[in-house]
Amino acid sequence: NAGVTQTPKFQVLKTGQSMTLQCAQDMNHNSMYWYRQDPGMGLRLIYYSASEGTTDKGEVPNGYNVSRLNKREFSLRLESAAPSQTSVYFCASTMSEGNYGYTFGSGTRLTVV
Amino acid sequence: DQQVKQNSPSLSVQEGRISILNCDYTNSMFDYFLWYKKYPAEGPTFLISISSIKDKNEDGRFTVFLNKSAKHLSLHIVPSQPGDSAVYFCAASANTNAGKSTFGDGTTLTVKP
Repeated sequence: NAGVTQTPKFQVLKTGQSMTLQCAQDMNHNSMYWYRQDPGMGLRLIYYSASEGTTDKGEVPNGYNVSRLNKREFSLRLESAAPSQTSVYFCASTMSEGNYGYTFGSGTRLTVV
Repeated sequence: DQQVKQNSPSLSVQEGRISILNCDYTNSMFDYFLWYKKYPAEGPTFLISISSIKDKNEDGRFTVFLNKSAKHLSLHIVPSQPGDSAVYFCAASANTNAGKSTFGDGTTLTVKP
């Protein structure tokens, strides 16, 4: 089925370890986003890519880096994981930077111990 | 300062009755508003949206109302069904903001049979 695919679904890291969360969409969407959701809270924007070749910081970018590898793929990297980065991470995409609803992936549940 | 607020963490209604979920915002630059529905262990799903040039948008059992002067929007679900039980997120974006959405903390709706 068409949509947004995130890998992995679950991950446990030790403090200081690094990892990359992968995201790919097959809907030919231009804009892609990474959000995190902490318990009892809404989604907060980490980074986004309005179009292929561009990336910008969101509300909570510290401790993360991103790469828009091509139009389909947008990865999120944690260089040195911290317990405060324990969260559920959602990747989303939309047709353009206009007013369209997002299509979300199913999420990556990350625990940093 | 939270720009999108959903003041009711939870709501319980009887099957067949109306569910009304509320959302307030503070940023007058927001001009597009969206509602998402989220089941456990899944990503949010786009439900319905409304532009600031309208005060109502309807899609089947779902209607969103916007009161710009009060900076308030609401989602009405009529009639409510047990399958509507989920977390509902309100989100807002501005045309000048590269499609970035700001989310509320969500309201958990429980529809009892």
